[in-house]
Amino acid sequence: DSGVTQTPKHLITATGQRVTLRCSPRSGDLSVYWYQQSLDQGLQFLIQYYNGEERAKGNILERFSAQQFPDLHSELNLSSLELGDSALYFCASSVQLGGGNTGELFFGEGSRLTVL
Amino acid sequence: AQSVAQPEDQVNVAEGNPLTVKCTYSVSGNPYLFWYVQYPNRGLQFLLKYITGDNLVKGSYGFEAEFNKSQTSFHLKKPSALVSDSALYFCAVRDKGNQGGKLIFGQGTELSVKP
Repeated sequence: DSGVTQTPKHLITATGQRVTLRCSPRSGDLSVYWYQQSLDQGLQFLIQYYNGEERAKGNILERFSAQQFPDLHSELNLSSLELGDSALYFCASSVQLGGGNTGELFFGEGSRLTVL
Repeated sequence: AQSVAQPEDQVNVAEGNPLTVKCTYSVSGNPYLFWYVQYPNRGLQFLLKYITGDNLVKGSYGFEAEFNKSQTSFHLKKPSALVSDSALYFCAVRDKGNQGGKLIFGQGTELSVKP
């Protein structure tokens, strides 16, 4: 158990809908990272928050947004869903910020989104 | 831009034989390198990392990795494979170019260990 909790584990929805994925980082970790894993794109970095502030942005679509709350949990909001958004969405956390961080990321079990 | 490459989509090994999963990197400066394993329908589990020091890094479940600066490689190895090692393996490098310090992952290598 990594200590990172993601809910829901599975989600099935229709095109055009909106969903929210939730992540609770490990106790004490201030950084939260979101990744998308799909068969054709592999593991893609979406966005990172540190102590409530956005710190890095990757290949995140405009239809997607995220935030980190004062209690450090994070939510990833996916709207106007398309078939191609079907994927595994992972949250990861780490203690430190920055490129010089030598620590590993700890990953949750993921949220599997299926868009029909 | 920093990146890692895993040249093999799949590696097949017989149980008891040594295994190697390859990874090469492209990084400016000294790299921070990681290996993760993903079992079916599970999240990524950290195996080991190279930050500095000894080029041979030992990790979880009997895995080790060898950092080779001249060949820009960080291959994952295990002396004797187990059927339970069958999984998807990812090499990653820390992006030191921004504040976030995210990990950049390779495409993954599917390891299959047959009895």
